[in-house]
Amino acid sequence: GNSVTQMEGPVTLSEEAFLTINCTYTATGYPSLFWYVQYPGEGLQLLLKATKADDKGSNKGFEATYRKETTSFHLEKGSVQVSDSAVYFCALSDQGAQKLVFGQGTRLTINP
Amino acid sequence: DTAVSQTPKYLVTQMGNDKSIKCEQNLGHDTMYWYKQDSKKFLKIMFSYNNKELIINETVPNRFSPKSPDKAHLNLHINSLELGDSAVYFCASSQEVGGRASEQFFGPGTRLTVL
Repeated sequence: GNSVTQMEGPVTLSEEAFLTINCTYTATGYPSLFWYVQYPGEGLQLLLKATKADDKGSNKGFEATYRKETTSFHLEKGSVQVSDSAVYFCALSDQGAQKLVFGQGTRLTINP
Repeated sequence: DTAVSQTPKYLVTQMGNDKSIKCEQNLGHDTMYWYKQDSKKFLKIMFSYNNKELIINETVPNRFSPKSPDKAHLNLHINSLELGDSAVYFCASSQEVGGRASEQFFGPGTRLTVL
């Protein structure tokens, strides 16, 4: 079956540090991949997505590249800000599936 | 313009009571979902409706009953509330594209506390 595995949190960084949150997936077909962000007290928002191998999704300084050979979609940002503190979810949507499969979420805290 | 809205935002109630949460989307999407998020932020899908038809029902106690009066609304009714039902419930919607679920748009959540 389809599954998504994210790196264990919580992750704590200082402002301006480099961020990587790892995400690997298992899928039977060729999935679309997503990163969602959940700020405190809010619902999930789509951060970025990629629909085919080697696509790079980017938004708000975050990037993730769809790597079919390593079944990965790692989230990166070159210089994090305090306002990036949130929970990040990796997710996939497979062909023929009528739902997204979410990872367990990674809590990120950025200290000033 | 709120895309996916839920009411109420907070719900505090006693064990054994029956309560409902309402969800509406104005995006014209054909699929709507209910998720439960526990205190560790783990997100679990509960139900999905496509054009008012139930398509996903994930091992949820039958005390939970979704109802979709039209494709813009998906309500969740919970009977005989238990302490373990305390969580944040999220509604979401999406439009199927190319035979798969596309990106989902989430509501702000309803924090349910059962005392």
